[in-house]
Amino acid sequence: AQKITQTQPGMFVQEKEAVTLDCTYDTSDQSYGLFWYKQPSSGEMIFLIYQGSYDEQNATEGRYSLNFQKARKSANLVISASQLGDSAMYFCAMRGYTGGGNKLTFGTGTQLKVEL
Amino acid sequence: DAMVIQNPRYQVTQFGKPVTLSCSQTLNHNVMYWYQQKSSQAPKLLFHYYDKDFNNEADTPDNFQSRRPNTSFCFLDIRSPGLGDAAMYLCATSAPPDISQYFGAGTRLSVL
Repeated sequence: AQKITQTQPGMFVQEKEAVTLDCTYDTSDQSYGLFWYKQPSSGEMIFLIYQGSYDEQNATEGRYSLNFQKARKSANLVISASQLGDSAMYFCAMRGYTGGGNKLTFGTGTQLKVEL
Repeated sequence: DAMVIQNPRYQVTQFGKPVTLSCSQTLNHNVMYWYQQKSSQAPKLLFHYYDKDFNNEADTPDNFQSRRPNTSFCFLDIRSPGLGDAAMYLCATSAPPDISQYFGAGTRLSVL
């Protein structure tokens, strides 16, 4: 079974500052993948970044980077230079396999609020 | 242009009255998923279709059914909605071996 833990229900950050959102995971799979999604109040899930378990370098996508520490089973999201539009719910998720498709197991999310 | 479209965005139904939620996609992806997200909770996979093959999650209640008449469309049927079924329902698609899932904007269901 896979499990994702996000221990920060809410976070505040000032505009232009960097923020780290925590994610730890548990799995018995040797090969796995970790995602971060952003969910604004409008509801859609927006893909941000992906890290494969065998990727040697931490993933980066623009202002988003993933601090992947395999031994500690953590995959924290770092958002640099926060913007007001970054205010949203952020979910960490792990990819599993089911019936030929990819099953995502989500954490409980972190509500990020960017302040002036 | 929207690639995964969910209609309606908001749906109100009565306790026990069957309701159908719709999802369509222009991506020609062969996998379509339905997730349930209750208030302040993580999305939870209900089931998915790989082409025409239906794959139900073990803990999905029998009250939830799905249909996929063609590649582009997938429906979520709730046969007898209860108050506990009020949630956001998210549709997603993917095209293995690509690992990405593309989500629609969701349908927020209220049960009165």
